[in-house]
Amino acid sequence: TQLLEQSPQFLSIQEGENLTVYCNSSSVFSSLQWYRQEPGEGPVLLVTVVTGGEVKKLKRLTFQFGDARKDSSLHITAAQPGDTGLYLCAGESTGANSKLTFGKGITLSVRP
Amino acid sequence: NAGVMQNPRHLVRRRGQEARLRCSPMKGHSHVYWYRQLPEEGLKFMVYLQKENIIDESGMPKERFSAEFPKEGPSILRIQQVVRGDSAAYFCASSPLAGDSYGYTFGSGTRLTVV
Repeated sequence: TQLLEQSPQFLSIQEGENLTVYCNSSSVFSSLQWYRQEPGEGPVLLVTVVTGGEVKKLKRLTFQFGDARKDSSLHITAAQPGDTGLYLCAGESTGANSKLTFGKGITLSVRP
Repeated sequence: NAGVMQNPRHLVRRRGQEARLRCSPMKGHSHVYWYRQLPEEGLKFMVYLQKENIIDESGMPKERFSAEFPKEGPSILRIQQVVRGDSAAYFCASSPLAGDSYGYTFGSGTRLTVV
């Protein structure tokens, strides 16, 4: 079973601060995806990283895929209250019939 | 340009009744995935289907749960003789390709409450 550990589990910060959260596994994934989920809604895809060492930027969000394709980080610059939500990482298993395995998520609260 | 449509949004069932959850994938998507989400447990994979075929049901409980994705119409997740432990949010996702690295599109979920 492929497990994804996300840390920290909860994070509460002040508007304007920077933060980095992590997604770690002992397994190799063909790709890793980050989603954001708001209460009462389904997860919404933020980014997919495929190549080891890949860095992708989405406005104030920077995503990095580890060289060994086992881990990833999400860095948010100058966090805003609108960034509040549950951040989920998901790894796509290799081979046929691939499916996504999700971490438990990181609950981020940005105080105005 | 509708996304993944799930209905109902909320479903209340008494213990022992049946629950039917529906999912219409995005237009052009032929791969459907069902996940269950419990508080503090994250999204757990249940089943992966293509039209008329179950590809992977390794996450489905062996009893009472079944899923289908017929040639015409939505995908259905069926739970027979529901118990309180079945209470959860059930999400459906779709993708256009197998082994899709472009990500899944999720519906808004069905929140099942068993009383």
